Amino acid sequence: GENVEQHPSTLSVQEGDSAVIKCTYSDSASNYFPWYKQELGKGPQLIIDIRSNVGEKKDQRIAVTLNKTAKHFSLHITETQPEDSAVYFCAASIWDSSYKLIFGSGTRLLVRP
Amino acid sequence: SAVISQKPSRDICQRGTSLTIQCQVDSQVTMMFWYRQQPGQSLTLIATANQGSEATYESGFVIDKFPISRPNLTFSTLTVSNMSPEDSSIYLCSVGAANTEAFFGQGTRLTVV
Repeated sequence: GENVEQHPSTLSVQEGDSAVIKCTYSDSASNYFPWYKQELGKGPQLIIDIRSNVGEKKDQRIAVTLNKTAKHFSLHITETQPEDSAVYFCAASIWDSSYKLIFGSGTRLLVRP
Repeated sequence: SAVISQKPSRDICQRGTSLTIQCQVDSQVTMMFWYRQQPGQSLTLIATANQGSEATYESGFVIDKFPISRPNLTFSTLTVSNMSPEDSSIYLCSVGAANTEAFFGQGTRLTVV
C-alpha cells in the first residue's frame, strides 16, 4: 500500500523567510496530493492541493510542486507570518478511485516574530 | 466546499463505556471516512463508511471496536466501544467525491479515564 514520508518533523523560521516541507510517496498510482494545516484544537484545513497532471500550483504565498518521476512533492510558503505557525500534513491518494488519504507524519512549523 | 459538523466536539468518558460520534455533511457526498489522530501524531484511516452497507475497515481496526453506520449520503456515526485510555484521540470525519477535495470536520476530542 501507499506510504508517505514527510520531512522535516519540525521547522523554525524567522518571520518573512520561506519555509519548505517535503514529502515522498511510494505508490505510483497516487494522483492527488493535498496539504493540510492543523492549528491547535482544530481539524485539518485544506490549504492547497495538486493533481498528478500538474507540476506546480500557486495560491498567493503558498505553492506546491510535484515530481512524479521522483515521487515527491513539496510545500513552499513564502513571506512567512506568525499565523502560519501550525502543524502541516501532506497526503497522497488515488483520487477518483478510493478517495482514501494516506498522511505523512506532519511538520510543526514555528514562525518567529 | 462541503461543511462538516461533528458531535460531540469533545468528551471525557469512563473506561469500559462506549461513545457514538456523529458526522453530518451539508451536501450529498460519495465517500465518507473516519480517521483517528492519536496525541501528537498524524492521521490514520479507520474505515470507509459505505452508504447502506457495512463499512470497510483498514488493517488494525475491527467492526466490534469501531462500529460505523451510514444510513444516507449526508450522515454517518462512529462508535468507540468498550473504551480504554489508549482510545484517547481525536476522531475525524472526512468526505470525498469526484471533482472535489477532501474536507474534514473539526474532530471529536475523546479522553478516556
